Amino acid sequence: SQQGEEDPQALSIQEGENATMNCSYKTSINNLQWYRQNSGRGLVHLILIRSNEREKHSGRLRVTLDTSKKSSSLLITASRAADTASYFCATDRGTYKYIFGTGTRLKVLA
Amino acid sequence: GAVVSQHPSRVICKSGTSVKIECRSLDFQATTMFWYRQFPKQSLMLMATSNEGSKATYEQGVEKDKFLINHASLTLSTLTVTSAHPEDSSFYICSARADSTEAFFGQGTRLTVV
Repeated sequence: SQQGEEDPQALSIQEGENATMNCSYKTSINNLQWYRQNSGRGLVHLILIRSNEREKHSGRLRVTLDTSKKSSSLLITASRAADTASYFCATDRGTYKYIFGTGTRLKVLA
Repeated sequence: GAVVSQHPSRVICKSGTSVKIECRSLDFQATTMFWYRQFPKQSLMLMATSNEGSKATYEQGVEKDKFLINHASLTLSTLTVTSAHPEDSSFYICSARADSTEAFFGQGTRLTVV
């Protein structure tokens, strides 16, 4: 399969809680990116993490990368209703052809 | 980061007609551009890779005569969906990269064929 795997497929939390999404992939990568997509809209770039990096932060977002386990996680702290969206990871093996995960649909309840 | 712009963001066309989607790199020269497709509630799948001045390379299962890709300049690639049918309705998104950089994504185009 071309796709990576993300879990959970769907996540529903209360506003103020933290949300964690995981991404697993199959081959060695050059970098991994996380994107957000609101329903029916385009992709919004969140964070890029390179294979030699283990953790990156951007505002309320924290991304980790474990290349030995071929996995990454995205943590959104103090979630807001506006964070409701689908979240995708995308991996690049160095060919710049990104392989997207199956996505996690996050719903933040006010 | 680099800016990639797609146009139009939404398009509705009649069955049997062709529709062109543009992907532009606004502040860098894109030696390679990629086209992806996303069916409702699914992930994005790579359709083809295009290098400036050469023919596109299509992924397995993608009809090259159906989805015409032209990468005529270092800042513009176009995807033409020919003889569109309702099953071609989808979200199409491009990405672009310059040499030795990551690929950056456009905002996508939602195509509806009626």
